[in-house]
Amino acid sequence: GAVVSQHPSWVICKSGTSVKIECRSLDFQATTMFWYRQFPKQSLMLMATSNEGSKATYEQGVEKDKFLINHASLTLSTLTVTSAHPEDSSFYICSARQFIRGELFFGEGSRLTVL
Amino acid sequence: EDQVTQSPEALRLQEGESSSLNCSYTVSGLRGLFWYRQDPGKGPEFLFTLYSAGEEKEKERLKATLTKKESFLHITAPKPEDSATYLCAVQSNDYKLSFGAGTTVTVRA
Repeated sequence: GAVVSQHPSWVICKSGTSVKIECRSLDFQATTMFWYRQFPKQSLMLMATSNEGSKATYEQGVEKDKFLINHASLTLSTLTVTSAHPEDSSFYICSARQFIRGELFFGEGSRLTVL
Repeated sequence: EDQVTQSPEALRLQEGESSSLNCSYTVSGLRGLFWYRQDPGKGPEFLFTLYSAGEEKEKERLKATLTKKESFLHITAPKPEDSATYLCAVQSNDYKLSFGAGTTVTVRA
């Protein structure tokens, strides 16, 4: 199956710092990527939709200034958690939509812990 | 608003004991229904996509079926390695996925 790579897989940072998470589609072009957040034993909650070359679309209740998304190319989207606080600690997962077939493939996730 | 409800929340099976997971949904314009497997601390792993009522797909011990209101994931003669959380998601015409809460399956040897 298609491969989506997420980096880093885990990160620990101090409160007030910013953290960048990368999502790459390794063997296909992805015009659209999605960013999700998952709390323990809960399902995935869509945060935003990232479209290559345009601004991301954020879901209701998600602060766009807190979670900066950039989709610079057909294979790379980044999520930057700015001025992170302990409540931002979570499991962040990206998915990439394959251009032709429209199927969605997920990265391995990035666990963020803010101290 | 698209809604996805999965049942049961948790399922404990003996090795070899077949069972089914349910995913009921309401969506405005179904583009596809997806089944994923998620292991703890990992991202979801794609299993199946179903596009229309009556469609069935199989992969090893798993078989997914779709009707106009729900989908079933059948696990035939499960093994301990089938233990995971199984997620169902519906994709609407804007390609957004709405996920159910998942069914956590535990298979005991």
